[in-house]
Amino acid sequence: AQTVTQSQPEMSVQEAETVTLSCTYDTSENNYYLFWYKQPPSRQMILVIRQEAYKQQNATENRFSVNFQKAAKSFSLKISDSQLGDTAMYFCAFMKPLSSGNTGKLIFGQGTTLQVKP
Amino acid sequence: DSGVTQTPKHLITATGQRVTLRCSPRSGDLSVYWYQQSLDQGLQFLIQYYNGEERAKGNILERFSAQQFPDLHSELNLSSLELGDSALYFCASSGKYEQFFGPGTRLTVL
Repeated sequence: AQTVTQSQPEMSVQEAETVTLSCTYDTSENNYYLFWYKQPPSRQMILVIRQEAYKQQNATENRFSVNFQKAAKSFSLKISDSQLGDTAMYFCAFMKPLSSGNTGKLIFGQGTTLQVKP
Repeated sequence: DSGVTQTPKHLITATGQRVTLRCSPRSGDLSVYWYQQSLDQGLQFLIQYYNGEERAKGNILERFSAQQFPDLHSELNLSSLELGDSALYFCASSGKYEQFFGPGTRLTVL
């Protein structure tokens, strides 16, 4: 069974600085997707970024980028130029693609609470 | 706005009662997933429906059930409620490569 681990329960960063959130996962699959979701105080789950395991290039979305190390089963999120609105809980998630044999369900890590300080 | 809607936003009820949570997926999405977020268990997958049929079950209690209707909206039924069922319940619908979450229903069991 797949597992996802986020070893940093809480982190803080000064506004405008860079922070990296860690995530490791365990799977025997070769084809899968990894995600970072953001959950602000409103509790809405917002997709931040997606990485396909078959792609070697790290995904980037504006100030958010990932460092995907497939062999090490590591998937960290880097937030550049942190803003107060980035304050949230961040969840790393694993998914096997939806197909006849796979459900496409998300398996989440425990989450990291990020506080951006002014 | 993810395009996934959930009602109600908040629900307060007593132990032993039964409630129904409703979800409408994004237009065109056939898959609906239900997740439970509680303080002690984190985010857990409960059940999945695909085009009206149950596809997979996760850590869903026997007191809980769900269905997906021909118009693709889904309902999660929780019965014989216990204090420990208090949680945030999310519905998500699936595109090809990712899931989009509704705003959630916060259930409080008193």
